Amino acid sequence: DGGITQSPKYLFRKEGQNVTLSCEQNLNHDAMYWYRQDPGQGLRLIYYSQIVNDFQKGDIAEGYSVSREKKESFPLTVTSAQKNPTAFYLCASSKQGANTFGSGTRLTVV
Amino acid sequence: QKEVEQDPGPLSVPEGAIVSLNCTYSNSAFQYFMWYRQYSRKGPELLMYTYSSGNKEDGRFTAQVDKSSKYISLFIRDSQPSDSATYLCAMSRPSNSGGYQKVTFGTGTKLQVIP
Repeated sequence: DGGITQSPKYLFRKEGQNVTLSCEQNLNHDAMYWYRQDPGQGLRLIYYSQIVNDFQKGDIAEGYSVSREKKESFPLTVTSAQKNPTAFYLCASSKQGANTFGSGTRLTVV
Repeated sequence: QKEVEQDPGPLSVPEGAIVSLNCTYSNSAFQYFMWYRQYSRKGPELLMYTYSSGNKEDGRFTAQVDKSSKYISLFIRDSQPSDSATYLCAMSRPSNSGGYQKVTFGTGTKLQVIP
């Protein structure tokens, strides 16, 4: 089955640590995205990538970093510079138009 | 003012009712309109994807777009308990930097269908 796989499903981070969230897709989509979802705020775009080796900042990129070395993979690193990282993170991809989403990673700072 | 406004609910209806979910928007540049369903602790799944004004039907779901009023709706007929979820509207427009469709999401409406 084609789809988007996010791992891990749950992640706990100590303050001051960097953590990396995995996103892999086998849909052969060119574009990939990372969103953050908080209660009452909807989805906010962190980073997006339209082609391999290229990515752009979204609306809330501060404290995050990404790479796009392969078409299938778009990992997100939440750095210690992100002051409020506890949230639900969603990865998505698209060929034309609507996003297809993964099942999400819930990150909690402890 | 937010580009996309959506009532968060919650909306509770009895099983079998017709459900109407709505979003308004302020930017006339939006070209594509979508509805997603999101179950708790899951990623959103695409329900409907439309381009022009008018209606689009898929089974029990009908999406309606009125560009003149900047208003979109999703109707669910014969609602079922399994329809209980959060429904997100979304719309896209060309980004200011070009070459990319920027998608803006509503905050979602939580729906509960009571057996």
